[in-house]
Amino acid sequence: NAGVTQTPKFRILKIGQSMTLQCTQDMNHNYMYWYRQDPGMGLKLIYYSVGAGITDKGEVPNGYNVSRSTTEDFPLRLELAAPSQTSVYFCASSFRTGGKNEQYFGPGTRLTVT
Amino acid sequence: AQTVTQSQPEMSVQEAETVTLSCTYDTSENNYYLFWYKQPPSRQMILVIRQEAYKQQNATENRFSVNFQKAAKSFSLKISDSQLGDTAMYFCAQINNAGNMLTFGGGTRLMVKP
Repeated sequence: NAGVTQTPKFRILKIGQSMTLQCTQDMNHNYMYWYRQDPGMGLKLIYYSVGAGITDKGEVPNGYNVSRSTTEDFPLRLELAAPSQTSVYFCASSFRTGGKNEQYFGPGTRLTVT
Repeated sequence: AQTVTQSQPEMSVQEAETVTLSCTYDTSENNYYLFWYKQPPSRQMILVIRQEAYKQQNATENRFSVNFQKAAKSFSLKISDSQLGDTAMYFCAQINNAGNMLTFGGGTRLMVKP
């Protein structure tokens, strides 16, 4: 099992460019999440999905879009990159929601917007 | 809204000694889960320990234990027999009642010295 994988590991974008962060899990988890971690801070939830075709906003969704066409994949799209989106992005998945169900995290993508 | 506060940005401990990391939280919910996550330099988020709020007994996992004080909304992590591999950022987190959003504290950087 690879668990949760994310690509790319690092990326530098110019202001106004767009990109998609990829996330794939092979644990057949229903729930998937995108978080961002700013320097010296904890993680904040951007979007989450409870299953294929169903997504919802988290705490900091502005400037991002997501889609969930399959159980395995949950890409995060940045349409017009801004310096405020410089951060480390983590994808996570869990079988169910709730505290009994551990969220498994990917290794993160470090994004710099200049 | 949930908030999680970690008041110790950095701590250090000698190898084999014991250290306690502090965390306070605020919630209006009656039942919830609390977590401690470890983030080593590799950036991987690793679940260390979890506590269900309605359980009075403090959770333990090998060298890791918590002191959960529900009335005081306090959730500290004790690491016994500290090892060099415990050097990492530690995040306290709480999950909301719907079970779909983790709220993280700002983290404590722990250095274990030989």
